[in-house]
Amino acid sequence: GEDVEQSLFLSVREGDSSVINCTYTDSSSTYLYWYKQEPGAGLQLLTYIFSNMDMKQDQRLTVLLNKKDKHLSLRIADTQTGDSAIYFCAEKRGGSYIPTFGRGTSLIVHP
Amino acid sequence: EAGVAQSPRYKIIEKRQSVAFWCNPISGHATLYWYQQILGQGPKLLIQFQNNGVVDDSQLPKDRFSAERLKGVDSTLKIQPAKLEDSAVYLCASSVGTGGAVEQYFGPGTRLTVT
Repeated sequence: GEDVEQSLFLSVREGDSSVINCTYTDSSSTYLYWYKQEPGAGLQLLTYIFSNMDMKQDQRLTVLLNKKDKHLSLRIADTQTGDSAIYFCAEKRGGSYIPTFGRGTSLIVHP
Repeated sequence: EAGVAQSPRYKIIEKRQSVAFWCNPISGHATLYWYQQILGQGPKLLIQFQNNGVVDDSQLPKDRFSAERLKGVDSTLKIQPAKLEDSAVYLCASSVGTGGAVEQYFGPGTRLTVT
């Protein structure tokens, strides 16, 4: 299977919270990332968390890390139509210089 | 601060033709990356440069792909000859270095269609 797995789609109503989930396989991962990709654009780094943390909050974004289960989530509070995009989870493994990306979760926000 | 610049934004070529992509990273970023993103997938690293030296090109199909970063700033990625399966978005990214969290900044990409 994939090293970093995500569900492909998530649909939410505007104003609700969105939770995008990700699982990874390498217990040596040091940093875990969330990127956002809007149509026709490159990836934008939203936030990242160091592996010795279990939560990080940044305005409307909350990242939760369960290292035991190798599970990462991104919660977007008060989701807006401008949040519609593809969200990529990525892990940086110990001994590696670069992150490995998942396939992305397409977030659709409807009125 | 200017972001990562890439050109062209779109390119359509026939199979067996050649194509080249250009990238200008953020000023002062020593590390430059080329990724291939096939529709519906995450980016896959093709090659990573540290200044003008290659750090990792293990995923680069060297029989047809080549890349250079001669003066440690701009970079070009070339495909010769192109195949249908090369149709993808080619993303360039840069970072200050490779230590710690590695905050990568991505360009808008070049969408290549091979017919």
